[in-house]
Amino acid sequence: DVKVTQSSRYLVKRTGEKVFLECVQDMDHENMFWYRQDPGLGLRLIYFSYDVKMKEKGDIPEGYSVSREKKERFSLILESASTNQTSMYLCASSSEGYNQPQHFGDGTRLSIL
Amino acid sequence: AQSVTQLDSHVSVSEGTPVLLRCNYSSSYSPSLFWYVQHPNKGLQLLLKYTSAATLVKGINGFEAEFKKSETSFHLTKPSAHMSDAAEYFCVVSENTGNQFYFGTGTSLTVIP
Repeated sequence: DVKVTQSSRYLVKRTGEKVFLECVQDMDHENMFWYRQDPGLGLRLIYFSYDVKMKEKGDIPEGYSVSREKKERFSLILESASTNQTSMYLCASSSEGYNQPQHFGDGTRLSIL
Repeated sequence: AQSVTQLDSHVSVSEGTPVLLRCNYSSSYSPSLFWYVQHPNKGLQLLLKYTSAATLVKGINGFEAEFKKSETSFHLTKPSAHMSDAAEYFCVVSENTGNQFYFGTGTSLTVIP
């Protein structure tokens, strides 16, 4: 079974801090994704990557950056955390091809105080 | 342009009765369609996928969905609801033009004992 592991289930940080969310997948998938999930808004794509060192902006990239130095790891970085970035963050991976499903981690619930 | 509409934000059924969660999509190309389930504080789990093979797709936990191109629909059904089916359900579409997935806003299923 594919396993996508997010480093933290719950995280509390302060405004202005630089925050790192880590995601690792064990199935050699080419594609990796970061979403945030908020009540009433569903899932919104922040960034995705289709190869090592490659990244593409999603629908809401402002205030975030990403890093993919190794194929199995995709990091989301909040450069200077703000309270409106309090959310559930979900990482996903998929094989190449539009008909390949995504596999999700259990999410990180991030609170910015 | 791609879009996904989940027609009901909340559905309540009694245990043992049928479940119907509705999804309509718009797509310029031949889409792949997916249903995911999300239990509280967990990531999304794939229930089933349609990728241009049989139009009636069977998934895990007794769920199935039928792709109807003429109606641009991909409704999720289950003959008999179980308490453990209470969760959030997401309909997702992707196209053969890239690596992006488009999510519906979700349907919350409540199962009444």
